[in-house]
Amino acid sequence: QKEVEQDPGPLSVPEGAIVSLNCTYSNSAFQYFMWYRQYSRKGPELLMYTYSSGNKEDGRFTAQVDKSSKYISLFIRDSQPSDSATYLCAMNSGGYQKVTFGIGTKLQVIP
Amino acid sequence: NAGVTQTPKFRVLKTGQSMTLLCAQDMNHEYMYWYRQDPGMGLRLIHYSVGEGTTAKGEVPDGYNVSRLKKQNFLLGLESAAPSQTSVYFCASSYEPLSGGTEDTQYFGPGTRLTVL
Repeated sequence: QKEVEQDPGPLSVPEGAIVSLNCTYSNSAFQYFMWYRQYSRKGPELLMYTYSSGNKEDGRFTAQVDKSSKYISLFIRDSQPSDSATYLCAMNSGGYQKVTFGIGTKLQVIP
Repeated sequence: NAGVTQTPKFRVLKTGQSMTLLCAQDMNHEYMYWYRQDPGMGLRLIHYSVGEGTTAKGEVPDGYNVSRLKKQNFLLGLESAAPSQTSVYFCASSYEPLSGGTEDTQYFGPGTRLTVL
């Protein structure tokens, strides 16, 4: 079993839809949770960063962490074609410990 | 401010050939990392460095060597390339190891697509 599980998709939604992306994990020591966006043939770029449990909102993006269920989510409101990309979840237990990435979910927002 | 740059962008090698991938960052970051990204596998850490002159093994170090002679540069070497090393290679850098602030996050380069025939 992988430490981080993420459905690779692809996920296709119409423009304006609310998108929900999710990851589950097995390592209870993880306490830093990140979402990266990766456009085709580009490097990942940080989208959201959350410490421990709770919600964090930034514009159209909301990140949720439920440590009791070992489940994290990224919500995108009013999705736009420019949101079409692969979204990687990532997590870490802090300090020098390595970052563990999910395999990424490919999202396509159709105009 | 170019961030993290990688050269070359693309490369095709024959089995047994050697090559060096160059990563450069202009953010004065202490920490640098080399990852490989393969379909269905996610990003996996090859080697990393916590400062000039230091290197350490990551999750999948076999077949690779690295050097950090200058703070801004991190080189990844393949001494004898194998088809299993066909992948997209990403370099990343960060100011500190992750400890709770967004300033600690890793900034990624654009990647190098390597094919080994």
